[in-house]
Amino acid sequence: KNQVEQSPQSLIILEGKNCTLQCNYTVSPFSNLRWYKQDTGRGPVSLTIMTFSENTKSNGRYTATLDADTKQSSLHITASQLSDSASYICVVSREASGTYKYIFGTGTRLKVLA
Amino acid sequence: GAVVSQHPSRVICKSGTSVKIECRSLDFQATTMFWYRQFPKQSLMLMATSNEGSKATYEQGVEKDKFLINHASLTLSTLTVTSAHPEDSSFYICSANSRGRVVYEQYFGPGTRLTVT
Repeated sequence: KNQVEQSPQSLIILEGKNCTLQCNYTVSPFSNLRWYKQDTGRGPVSLTIMTFSENTKSNGRYTATLDADTKQSSLHITASQLSDSASYICVVSREASGTYKYIFGTGTRLKVLA
Repeated sequence: GAVVSQHPSRVICKSGTSVKIECRSLDFQATTMFWYRQFPKQSLMLMATSNEGSKATYEQGVEKDKFLINHASLTLSTLTVTSAHPEDSSFYICSANSRGRVVYEQYFGPGTRLTVT
């Protein structure tokens, strides 16, 4: 069954601290993995997209890793800021017969406190 | 980056009425658009995939006669919630695919908050 699981479900950290969010997937055939940030009441915004051959990708203070062998990904946030408070969603794309299907994780709700 | 807009951003309607939500790709052409709904503290749930010039493909459990989707052009898809009921109250988000250098980029709209009274 194609699934994407994220952990932790929620996380509270102090401003300036680092944190790592996890994403495990059982999606086949794998096309790519995406991390999105979703502020409350807004649409998701793309942070990173990684294909099978990419192990790591950075976007400012956000660094995503991908281990295609173990089917795990992580999103590391460095020197967190109050504006990082949001939901972070891991999405795995599978391609079958020329069509794409996006499998969404349940998200991690991050709260950064001053 | 590419921009996807939704209109309206917020709508309140009475039970039994219909509501139309527009999704536009502002600076690119999107042959495929997606419609999602999201309940509080939950992730996005795909409702249907909308392809320009053809009928939408609905996910299992989504009533196609209740959620009418029209993808009339490469920049516009509409979702009409017919005979809305309070349980249809939700956050509706669309997204549009744009061909990137390697993979398709998926750009999301800002969402539409529907409240049915």
